[in-house]
Amino acid sequence: GAGVSQSPRYKVAKRGQDVALRCDPISGHVSLFWYQQALGQGPEFLTYFQNEAQLDKSGLPSDRFFAERPEGSVSTLKIQRTQQEDSAVYLCASSTQAGDYNEQFFGPGTRLTVL
Amino acid sequence: GNSVTQMEGPVTLSEEAFLTINCTYTATGYPSLFWYVQYPGEGLQLLLKATKADDKGSNKGFEATYRKETTSFHLEKGSVQVSDSAVYFCALKSRGGGSNYKLTFGKGTLLTVNP
Repeated sequence: GAGVSQSPRYKVAKRGQDVALRCDPISGHVSLFWYQQALGQGPEFLTYFQNEAQLDKSGLPSDRFFAERPEGSVSTLKIQRTQQEDSAVYLCASSTQAGDYNEQFFGPGTRLTVL
Repeated sequence: GNSVTQMEGPVTLSEEAFLTINCTYTATGYPSLFWYVQYPGEGLQLLLKATKADDKGSNKGFEATYRKETTSFHLEKGSVQVSDSAVYFCALKSRGGGSNYKLTFGKGTLLTVNP
């Protein structure tokens, strides 16, 4: 079956522009996660949804970052007034549930470059 | 807080060589431990996991043993293949508690296997 998909795969933005990154989780997966992976680093947790509820946004680096999942399926990560330090790969993952025994399945990521 | 330290790369081996990638962790409580692999152009994939002390995770010829006394989870393979060339990430999730869904990753180790 289809895995987690993300679009666009690559995004170039000028500093100050707003961007929106989309994630389509595996059908039926209740939990959805966003991670940020800077160059040469491991992924870092940004936020977590259980259905449409955003239960943890502790990893969002600033109030310019906003995520939503209005119908409990597709999610969008929005970054306002992008800065060069926002350049990274943004990974989305989904799982059947969120617990420590549930595998997170990752999408291919969106590589954001801010000029 | 939680953290993962893994062997810096890159690692370059010849086909059929023995592989070890070291991983140590710091965690509150008693975490679950994981190795993820990222092939070029693809998303992160779970390679193996272990959920309690002395457990051995294994998959595709790779193994790692959960060593609580040394807080380590080293990845090993007896005979690598060219197709094993990828970036390998060690990761953990806290067990129980309120944030048992967050994966904490190491920085990744790039492995290149030459024919």
